[in-house]
Amino acid sequence: GAVVSQHPSWVICKSGTSVKIECRSLDFQATTMFWYRQFPKQSLMLMATSNEGSKATYEQGVEKDKFLINHASLTLSTLTVTSAHPEDSSFYICSARDMDYLQETQYFGPGTRLLVL
Amino acid sequence: EDKVVQSPLSLVVHEGDTVTLNCSYEVTNFRSLLWYKQEKKAPTFLFMLTSSGIEKKSGRLSSILDKKELFSILNITATQTGDSAVYLCAVGSSVGNNRKLIWGLGTSLAVNP
Repeated sequence: GAVVSQHPSWVICKSGTSVKIECRSLDFQATTMFWYRQFPKQSLMLMATSNEGSKATYEQGVEKDKFLINHASLTLSTLTVTSAHPEDSSFYICSARDMDYLQETQYFGPGTRLLVL
Repeated sequence: EDKVVQSPLSLVVHEGDTVTLNCSYEVTNFRSLLWYKQEKKAPTFLFMLTSSGIEKKSGRLSSILDKKELFSILNITATQTGDSAVYLCAVGSSVGNNRKLIWGLGTSLAVNP
């Protein structure tokens, strides 16, 4: 149980294009999903918290117009990197938390590696 | 400011050794402490600890939490090369309705044959 999928696994795109990443909880309902990015040999950096049916909460320094988050259902959240540039190249990981309020554990998707040329 | 500090940052051992990884924290409104293992992809969940003094075990891995001294340890006995990974500690915190994990930088463990 507690499987989270992420699609695509790898994206290579040209500068200026937009990239959409999907995060799905496959066998549980996730009221809350989280989007992280990770640079090589660094820890996870939380970008935003995505709540189903409401606007995402962005961490300080993360541009909400640059990283659009949509959490339209209890099993799907999407992150769109708009007008991507080479500095957006990174490993993007989503996680999902069970809707039970007592649950704390976040289950991670396999991640998406984005390379912007 | 909330923070989670892991030590050591990096560790190299031989197969069969036992290792202890440390995680200390200063977090408002503590809810839980979680350990994850990250190899080349995204982190995989190991343990969630909410109460002091109760050891959680899974095979050769075990972990315990001390809420008075604000730390946790992760033990790995009889290490194998497959244990090589970054081990991440995260503490669950809540402020109002906002719950999130505060992450440590991780301990990079290399187990040599």
